Amino acid sequence: EAGVTQFPSHSVIEKGQTVTLRCDPISGHDNLYWYRRVMGKEIKFLLHFVKESKQDESGMPNNRFLAERTGGTYSTLKVQPAELEDSGVYFCASSQDQTSGRYIQYFGAGTRLSVL
Amino acid sequence: GNSVTQMEGPVTLSEEAFLTINCTYTATGYPSLFWYVQYPGEGLQLLLKATKADDKGSNKGFEATYRKETTSFHLEKGSVQVSDSAVYFCALTFSGGYNKLIFGAGTRLAVHP
Repeated sequence: EAGVTQFPSHSVIEKGQTVTLRCDPISGHDNLYWYRRVMGKEIKFLLHFVKESKQDESGMPNNRFLAERTGGTYSTLKVQPAELEDSGVYFCASSQDQTSGRYIQYFGAGTRLSVL
Repeated sequence: GNSVTQMEGPVTLSEEAFLTINCTYTATGYPSLFWYVQYPGEGLQLLLKATKADDKGSNKGFEATYRKETTSFHLEKGSVQVSDSAVYFCALTFSGGYNKLIFGAGTRLAVHP
């Protein structure tokens, strides 16, 4: 079974440009999460999809960030326009559902975003 | 609010040394507790978990016990190997709801031969 995959693994862009990150969750997982780790600090929650619906987007830093999950499968996270402070590692995770034993989150390898 | 505090790294050990990485938490309610590990160049992997007080999670020689009285979930291993070099993250969540993970800052472990 394929794990959570993220593309690209590394992106280098200039301030003001647009970048789109993609996440493919484990097949059959209804829940998809985005997290971010900035400058070696703690990993922080950004948002959570249940199927195609945004369940919780309380961690999104501002309106330059737009996440979508069309059809409830893969998700994209767009940053437009990118700022220097957006640099960091963006992780995606998925879980099956909320029931006992099936809420464990499985993570992708992350996308390292460098904004110059 | 809910939060996780980990000991700062890096932690540098010789092979076969005993490892402890401290983790304490603040939570409203009764969270589930996790240790995730990130090996160089890889994603986060679940190392072990505990879902209620006094539970002990264990995997690959690592152990952690859920201590409600001290709100702690310290990670231990009796004899580390070079291959254990990685960044370790303590985290909590609340099962049964829409459960985002709350992480600590991570502790880098470097094991030398």
